[in-house]
Amino acid sequence: GAGVSQSPSNKVTEKGKDVELRCDPISGHTALYWYRQSLGQGLEFLIYFQGNSAPDKSGLPSDRFSAERTGGSVSTLTIQRTQQEDSAVYLCASRRGGVLNEKLFFGSGTQLSVL
Amino acid sequence: DAKTTQPTSMDCAEGRAANLPCNHSTISGNEYVYWYRQIHSQGPQYIIHGLKNNETNEMASLIITEDRKSSTLILPHATLRDTAVYYCIVRVTGFQKLVFGTGTRLLVSP
Repeated sequence: GAGVSQSPSNKVTEKGKDVELRCDPISGHTALYWYRQSLGQGLEFLIYFQGNSAPDKSGLPSDRFSAERTGGSVSTLTIQRTQQEDSAVYLCASRRGGVLNEKLFFGSGTQLSVL
Repeated sequence: DAKTTQPTSMDCAEGRAANLPCNHSTISGNEYVYWYRQIHSQGPQYIIHGLKNNETNEMASLIITEDRKSSTLILPHATLRDTAVYYCIVRVTGFQKLVFGTGTRLLVSP
């Protein structure tokens, strides 16, 4: 597609349930990022993938959070045993990679609400 | 890691220039300054970036001071659609993630 696609756009779940959020980056982009944004707050870095390198997981807030990227393209962010404080917009971004200073392209995000 | 400081909010009249300041006094010599903006309910959008020299593109101009400790993003003729949160970011040395702060909320009014 023309841009970064995220699904679902909205997700409502009950506390304790697991959720999976999907990101389809721009075709050919080797770098992929996950951020989250709580209401009225700035963006919080979660994880970064670059090609076949080991991902930078330094931003994952707990071991309930994990992410994978299959075939160097689609990525899934999984949150296990969701808590109310996990409620936020989860944003995915991709970058062409290679040259460090290229810009990030963001998707519109997944609004996660944990009841 | 270099941090940035921005005013929480700013107002601008439609058609006037919007000048958004950013302080990054601990910036390292090889760190770039990036600007992104986030319009309500959308993902952030890249605006411009620079190292030492002033930069201009179709969206904005970036003025970086000679000592590189501060910069200003200029929207030359602000429109209502420029109402957004503007983030000034310094790329973290040795890493490829961009660390976003809380940004400046710019309100453009008629």
